[in-house]
Amino acid sequence: DAKTTQPTSMDCAEGRAANLPCNHSTISGNEYVYWYRQIHSQGPQYIIHGLKNNETNEMASLIITEDRKSSTLILPHATLRDTAVYYCIVRAGGATNKLIFGTGTLLAVQP
Amino acid sequence: NAGVTQTPKFQVLKTGQSMTLQCAQDMNHEYMSWYRQDPGMGLRLIHYSVGAGITDQGEVPNGYNVSRSTTEDFPLRLLSAAPSQTSVYFCASSFDRSIGEQYFGPGTRLTVT
Repeated sequence: DAKTTQPTSMDCAEGRAANLPCNHSTISGNEYVYWYRQIHSQGPQYIIHGLKNNETNEMASLIITEDRKSSTLILPHATLRDTAVYYCIVRAGGATNKLIFGTGTLLAVQP
Repeated sequence: NAGVTQTPKFQVLKTGQSMTLQCAQDMNHEYMSWYRQDPGMGLRLIHYSVGAGITDQGEVPNGYNVSRSTTEDFPLRLLSAAPSQTSVYFCASSFDRSIGEQYFGPGTRLTVT
């Protein structure tokens, strides 16, 4: 699975959009981009995933560049409850379900 | 559905003691896994199972045993606890091995003295 690079931490004002970047320059054609988050002392929570098209669900939007070497997770209206560590994970579909977690980005939503 | 449940929430062991961390899911998921999380580090995969009767090793399997006798349960055993096993342990499940959307339990915080 390809390696990902994320900023260690980011701040965002409450009510504004939070844009969390992720670089995955060695991603392969069959690898998906997954985003999880972990609120303090809780288990990780799945947010969204995509292959090459942009994706949106009730929690967030995922924008993947055309060359697929980077992506951005967008929380459209951040709240204090969105303060968490956000993990970007690249994973091939199919034979294995292993998720390789890096150290993620600590998003601090400020009032 | 209760989702993924883990017991106990907290545990303190002395070096050399054994114990079993319990994990259960009520979603009829085939795939289950165990991770550990240490301060300042991401989650690391310990063991996983793609179905009842089938288990395999992850990144950091040493010192841990698992078994999967039923679809619902996936216990993690520490045969002889060591201080290096002090960590937070998370169990996760998903519908099958090909799906990256996993559901995580609330975790067990283990301290080995």
